[in-house]
Amino acid sequence: RKEVEQDPGPFNVPEGATVAFNCTYSNSASQSFFWYRQDCRKEPKLLMSVYSSGNEDGRFTAQLNRASQYISLLIRDSKLSDSATYLCVVNQGGTSYGKLTFGQGTILTVHP
Amino acid sequence: DAGVIQSPRHEVTEMGQEVTLRCKPISGHDYLFWYRQTMMRGLELLIYFNNNVPIDDSGMPEDRFSAKMPNASFSTLKIQPSEPRDSAVYFCASRGTSWGETQYFGPGTRLLVL
Repeated sequence: RKEVEQDPGPFNVPEGATVAFNCTYSNSASQSFFWYRQDCRKEPKLLMSVYSSGNEDGRFTAQLNRASQYISLLIRDSKLSDSATYLCVVNQGGTSYGKLTFGQGTILTVHP
Repeated sequence: DAGVIQSPRHEVTEMGQEVTLRCKPISGHDYLFWYRQTMMRGLELLIYFNNNVPIDDSGMPEDRFSAKMPNASFSTLKIQPSEPRDSAVYFCASRGTSWGETQYFGPGTRLLVL
């Protein structure tokens, strides 16, 4: 089983749609969680951290369920500029304090 | 801050040649990471350093790959000899020490080995 698993998509949605991405992680000792965004031929960039209580940043909402080892990202009112690959990222902590594990990424295409 | 700086941005070389990739982390960051990204395998961690010391090199594919960090502001990833299957985008990233702090990536080096 992969340490971090995502549905690779691709997701093709019209502008204005709501889309949700899911991610599961295998290490129950994982300590911190993030969503990164990667545009075509660019480096990954932090989109948002994921907190236990859930958190929102504008049109983006992230949720964490530690019991199910599950992370989600919800994008409301999709824009063309949201088209990118979304990477689920886990910091496993412990002896891997500094090490992030990346999922394979979910490709999103928002069309007019 | 200039962010993480990598050079070269693009490298085309022939099989068997030595390739050296360079990285300057964000000033004050204690951790430095080298990743490789391909379509088939996604983003893979090769090695990471903490305070210039290699902590985990389990992702380094084989002895042809080596990485050094002689000081807090510079790291190299060397491939010798290079092979076509090494063609990928190589990212360097850095982060600070605070728990939960995330990583900042450089723009990457696109390597093509012919």
